[in-house]
Amino acid sequence: GAGVSQTPSNKVTEKGKYVELRCDPISGHTALYWYRQSLGQGPEFLIYFQGTGAADDSGLPNDRFFAVRPEGSVSTLKIQRTERGDSAVYLCASSLGTSGIGEQFFGPGTRLTVL
Amino acid sequence: RKEVEQDPGPFNVPEGATVAFNCTYSNSASQSFFWYRQDCRKEPKLLMSVYSSGNEDGRFTAQLNRASQYISLLIRDSKLSDSATYLCVVAQRDDKIIFGKGTRLHILP
Repeated sequence: GAGVSQTPSNKVTEKGKYVELRCDPISGHTALYWYRQSLGQGPEFLIYFQGTGAADDSGLPNDRFFAVRPEGSVSTLKIQRTERGDSAVYLCASSLGTSGIGEQFFGPGTRLTVL
Repeated sequence: RKEVEQDPGPFNVPEGATVAFNCTYSNSASQSFFWYRQDCRKEPKLLMSVYSSGNEDGRFTAQLNRASQYISLLIRDSKLSDSATYLCVVAQRDDKIIFGKGTRLHILP
């Protein structure tokens, strides 16, 4: 079956621009997570959705970052006024989310480069 | 103290040897524990959950020590294909999931 997909796979943008990163989770998975991973680091939690609502957005670094999941399936991570420090791989993961923490299935990530 | 700490390695281990990594966590309220594996430029994938009583999956054994707040991963009879970064994951609840920085393992032929 289809896994988690993310688009685009690579995004190069200029400092100050706006970008949108898309995540398509596994069908039926109610929990969706966004992470950011820099070279040599583990994934850093950004935001967690349970259904349509953001259950925890405490990992978003500042108000330039925003994410939505309007229909409880596809999610979009939006970054305004990008900075060079935003360059990283942005990973999305989904899980069944029925009770407790379950296995998270990751997408291949979007590699964002801010010039 | 960092929330989840791992020795970054690299661990360079000959094929067939046994290797073990530890991971410590700071929050005693942590509820769930996992080991994920990440190959170079790939996404993380679940290797195994870690249960209180310890658990084994083939050549892999995971242990949890709540009193000392660490989890461990033991790999026996290591294979070349075990070369990867191993990520320790600690979850306090559904929405508080913390990854360690990972331990790099190189299996040498």
